[in-house]
Amino acid sequence: GAVVSQHPSWVICKSGTSVKIECRSLDFQATTMFWYRQFPKQSLMLMATSNEGSKATYEQGVEKDKFLINHASLTLSTLTVTSAHPEDSSFYICSAAIGGATEGIQYFGAGTRLSVL
Amino acid sequence: AQSVTQPDIHITVSEGASLELRCNYSYGATPYLFWYVQSPGQGLQLLLKYFSGDTLVQGIKGFEAEFKRSQSSFNLRKPSVHWSDAAEYFCAVGGFKTIFGAGTRLFVKA
Repeated sequence: GAVVSQHPSWVICKSGTSVKIECRSLDFQATTMFWYRQFPKQSLMLMATSNEGSKATYEQGVEKDKFLINHASLTLSTLTVTSAHPEDSSFYICSAAIGGATEGIQYFGAGTRLSVL
Repeated sequence: AQSVTQPDIHITVSEGASLELRCNYSYGATPYLFWYVQSPGQGLQLLLKYFSGDTLVQGIKGFEAEFKRSQSSFNLRKPSVHWSDAAEYFCAVGGFKTIFGAGTRLFVKA
């Protein structure tokens, strides 16, 4: 089946530093990838939609300068949390869509837990 | 507005008992419907999906769901729950963007 690898699974960083999270589709090409944020005991909140070779589309209220998304190839999208602060601590999950973004089935990475001290 | 409602925040069932998780949606067009399962600290795994056709869909791990257009529902069922089914379950409506419900946490007691 379709496998999405997300790395790292857990990262601790100091306030003010930047953190990069990678999302790779291992056995398929993903034109569209999604980045979500999940707070404890809550649902997934879509942050942005990432299309290969173009700028990401951010959801309302998500700071594009703080959460930099790059989708340079059909198998890799990265999320960089710039100048991270404790309030950025969260669980970040990526997914890759097969069949197009419209009805597409999403395959999820295992998530990255970010803790900002 | 498009939305997904999972009325039950958590449900506890005995191992071997049947399970039904409720999901109601509001969507302007014919929806694409999904159920995902999330184990603690993990990403989401697709259990099943409905795009069109037979309104009773079968998924992995013995789960099934029934699409009822008249009730705007897509409830998830399993005839006999196993302890390993304890997890968080998310109903989702797809389209240009996928909208997730708030989730239902399933506890399984021995």
